[in-house]
Amino acid sequence: DTAVSQTPKYLVTQMGNDKSIKCEQNLGHDTMYWYKQDSKKFLKIMFSYNNKELIINETVPNRFSPKSPDKAHLNLHINSLELGDSAVYFCASSQRANTQYFGPGTRLTVL
Amino acid sequence: GIQVEQSPPDLILQEGANSTLRCNFSDSVNNLQWFHQNPWGQLINLFYIPSGTKQNGRLSATTVATERYSLLYISSSQTTDSGVYFCAAPFSGNTPLVFGKGTRLSVIA
Repeated sequence: DTAVSQTPKYLVTQMGNDKSIKCEQNLGHDTMYWYKQDSKKFLKIMFSYNNKELIINETVPNRFSPKSPDKAHLNLHINSLELGDSAVYFCASSQRANTQYFGPGTRLTVL
Repeated sequence: GIQVEQSPPDLILQEGANSTLRCNFSDSVNNLQWFHQNPWGQLINLFYIPSGTKQNGRLSATTVATERYSLLYISSSQTTDSGVYFCAAPFSGNTPLVFGKGTRLSVIA
C-alpha cells in the first residue's frame, strides 16, 4: 500500500545516455513534484504538475523533461546525461497546499 | 521567494538527551513541514504544522507564524533519531516546498 513509489531505486549509467525515472502515487492527489537532492543534501524543486499540467519549471536544463500521462503518474526523462546530474531524485505529491508525501528516491550515478 | 534557515547545522547528542531544532522563514506561510531523512535516505513526514503545536510521541513541534519560526523538540533521544532534519515551506500558496539546509543530528549511545 505504498503511497508514492519510484522506479528504479538505483540507476547507474554512462555520460551521454538517456534515462527515465517513473513515479506513481495512489493517494488521489492532484499535484506532483520532482525534487533533486545534491551531494550536500540540498533539496530543490525541479518541476511541479497540477492535474497533469506543468505549473512550475525551475531553472532546470531542457535535457530534463517531465511527463504526466495521468494524475497518478509523473515520469522524469533525462537526455544526454552529464556527471553533474548525479544526485538523488525524489518524487512527491500533495492535494493542493496540504502535506507533501515523498517517494523513496532514485539515486542516479553518472559515470 | 521565501528563505528557510535552520539551526544548528550539526548536533551531537548523548542518548537520552533532549534537543530543540529551529527553523526561521522569511515570509508568512500557510504550510510548514518537518521531515526526518534517515541514514537510508528516506524522507519521513514528521509534522505538517503551519501554526500551533503538535505532538507525536517523543517529538513535538511548534510554529509561531506571526514571528516566522518553527521549533522541533526531540525528547529522550535515541540512536534511531540520527539523520538529517529538514523544515520546508512553500514560496506561496499551492507551490512546491523550499527546504532549509537541514540539521544533521547524531545520537550516540
